[in-house]
Amino acid sequence: DAGVIQSPRHEVTEMGQEVTLRCKPISGHDYLFWYRQTMMRGLELLIYFNNNVPIDDSGMPEDRFSAKMPNASFSTLKIQPSEPRDSAVYFCASSLAGDEQYFGPGTRLTVT
Amino acid sequence: GQQLNQSPQSMFIQEGEDVSMNCTSSSIFNTWLWYKQEPGEGPVLLIALYKAGKLTSNGRLTAQFGITRKDSFLNISASIPSDVGIYFCAESSNTGKLIFGQGTTLQVKP
Repeated sequence: DAGVIQSPRHEVTEMGQEVTLRCKPISGHDYLFWYRQTMMRGLELLIYFNNNVPIDDSGMPEDRFSAKMPNASFSTLKIQPSEPRDSAVYFCASSLAGDEQYFGPGTRLTVT
Repeated sequence: GQQLNQSPQSMFIQEGEDVSMNCTSSSIFNTWLWYKQEPGEGPVLLIALYKAGKLTSNGRLTAQFGITRKDSFLNISASIPSDVGIYFCAESSNTGKLIFGQGTTLQVKP
């Protein structure tokens, strides 16, 4: 079975540009999570969905960040406008019941 | 807020040695998870713990969380070079969210 799929794997963009990260969760999983990982702050939960509905977005750093889950098999995390401090690895994870989360390979974002 | 403290922060061991790492919490949790992350990859779930005091194994890995439900350990026996990575403990708050520790970096010398 395919695991969590993320695209792109790497993204380099200039400050001020819009960035869209994509995630396809494991089929049948009801929960989807977006994380950001940096050396300084470790793994941070940004937002999570249950049955396509955003449940907790308290980790979203600013209004420049938004996430959507239009259906059970697709989610996006958008940053507009992007800033250099947004440079990080962004992970998507999915879970059947919330506890055992399965992570995608991540998107390494570099904003210059 | 809730915090997870992992120790040690890093380990450098010889191939074949056993490894032990720990995780402590300021709060009580009923579900503990251990993940491993290799460079350029996402964290991979190693072991999920649902019962305090019960030893759970996965190959050379053994883990348990204590009856106080505030601490957990992960042991790796007979380490090999591919055990290299960062090991994270995580707790479930039963709200769907996980709280992650800062990780233990393991390096294995062949």
